[in-house]
Amino acid sequence: KQEVTQIPAALSVPEGENLVLNCSFTDSAIYNLQWFRQDPGKGLTSLLLIQSSQREQTSGRLNASLDKSSGRSTLYIAASQPGDSATYLCAVRDPDKLIFGTGTRLQVFP
Amino acid sequence: DGGITQSPKYLFRKEGQNVTLSCEQNLNHDAMYWYRQDPGQGLRLIYYSQIVNDFQKGDIAEGYSVSREKKESFPLTVTSAQKNPTAFYLCASSHQGRKYYEQYFGPGTRLTVT
Repeated sequence: KQEVTQIPAALSVPEGENLVLNCSFTDSAIYNLQWFRQDPGKGLTSLLLIQSSQREQTSGRLNASLDKSSGRSTLYIAASQPGDSATYLCAVRDPDKLIFGTGTRLQVFP
Repeated sequence: DGGITQSPKYLFRKEGQNVTLSCEQNLNHDAMYWYRQDPGQGLRLIYYSQIVNDFQKGDIAEGYSVSREKKESFPLTVTSAQKNPTAFYLCASSHQGRKYYEQYFGPGTRLTVT
């Protein structure tokens, strides 16, 4: 059974730092991996989608990588800002549904 | 604007009552999903539907029911049989028929049962 883990559960950093969020999964037979952002009390906003055949995807200050063989993905956030404060969730497709991690709660302070 | 709408945003019910959560999308997506989110836990799949008039149970379907009479709509009923219905409910949709599709989410409905 596919399991998705995100470490750390919470992270607090000063503005301007570059940071890395981690996501690991137990079964490498995935179709794709999606990173989401969730603000308190809100729905999920899709940030990046990496297909199983891809190694990374970039959008603005965000870069997500995928290493299927080791069952890992990382979300890199460059030059963090207070507006980046949110919970970040990763999810793998397996195959008709998404399996979610429990998220990393990020706080960026001025 | 294309997107997914969920209503209401907040819902309060007494224990023993059934309640229906609305989900509508105008993205022309074939597949729709219902997830439940509890504090400290990841999202868990309740039901999903890949085409009209067909749906499948997810990981935690007990105490819930759905219908898919129209492509745009996928309402979720939380029945009195659901033991712990208080949670944040999220609806999602995506294209179907291709492996590499992205899921999009609605704003959610917070249900409180007392």
